[in-house]
Amino acid sequence: AQRVTQPEKLLSVFKGAPVELKCNYSYSGSPELFWYVQYSRQRLQLLLRHISRESIKGFTADLNKGETSFHLKKPFAQEEDSAMYYCAPRDNYGQNFVFGPGTRLSVLP
Amino acid sequence: GAVVSQHPSRVICKSGTSVKIECRSLDFQATTMFWYRQFPKQSLMLMATSNEGSKATYEQGVEKDKFLINHASLTLSTLTVTSAHPEDSSFYICSARAGVSYEQYFGPGTRLTVT
Repeated sequence: AQRVTQPEKLLSVFKGAPVELKCNYSYSGSPELFWYVQYSRQRLQLLLRHISRESIKGFTADLNKGETSFHLKKPFAQEEDSAMYYCAPRDNYGQNFVFGPGTRLSVLP
Repeated sequence: GAVVSQHPSRVICKSGTSVKIECRSLDFQATTMFWYRQFPKQSLMLMATSNEGSKATYEQGVEKDKFLINHASLTLSTLTVTSAHPEDSSFYICSARAGVSYEQYFGPGTRLTVT
């Protein structure tokens, strides 16, 4: 069965500190991996996808197929990064996302 | 980026009545639309996927007779919660995708409260 885990419900860091939001998945086949972000009172939006290998807003994520992980990292957190982050694999067959439970990142001043 | 709207943003209805939620893609043609449900402090759960002009595909455990989905045009999908009960109270979110694009654009959500 497809499963996504984000072990931390809440992660608090101080501004300027590194941050890592963990994501592990259990998926058949070779899913694509995405991170979505939801800022306060805003809609869900795409942050990044593993295929593009982009760095968006200073965030990067490396797909580790051996560990089936797709952790999201940023070397220096900013207060505006405070939001809810969802890891979302997508199967190539049905093209549907499965959203993880989410991690609320709180960046303290 | 592409914009998806939902109407209404909030709705309160009495138990036993039906309520319709609209999802529109404003500046692109959405061949596929998705409906999600989100409980407080929980993640999004996919309810169904609809392709324009065809019947929706419901996820396991979602009653298709209770949650009627219509995707009659490339810019509009509707979700009707029939004979609503208090346990149907939730945040309903739609998303839309154009063609085989990987990206889904999400609506702002509709908060349904059934009294």
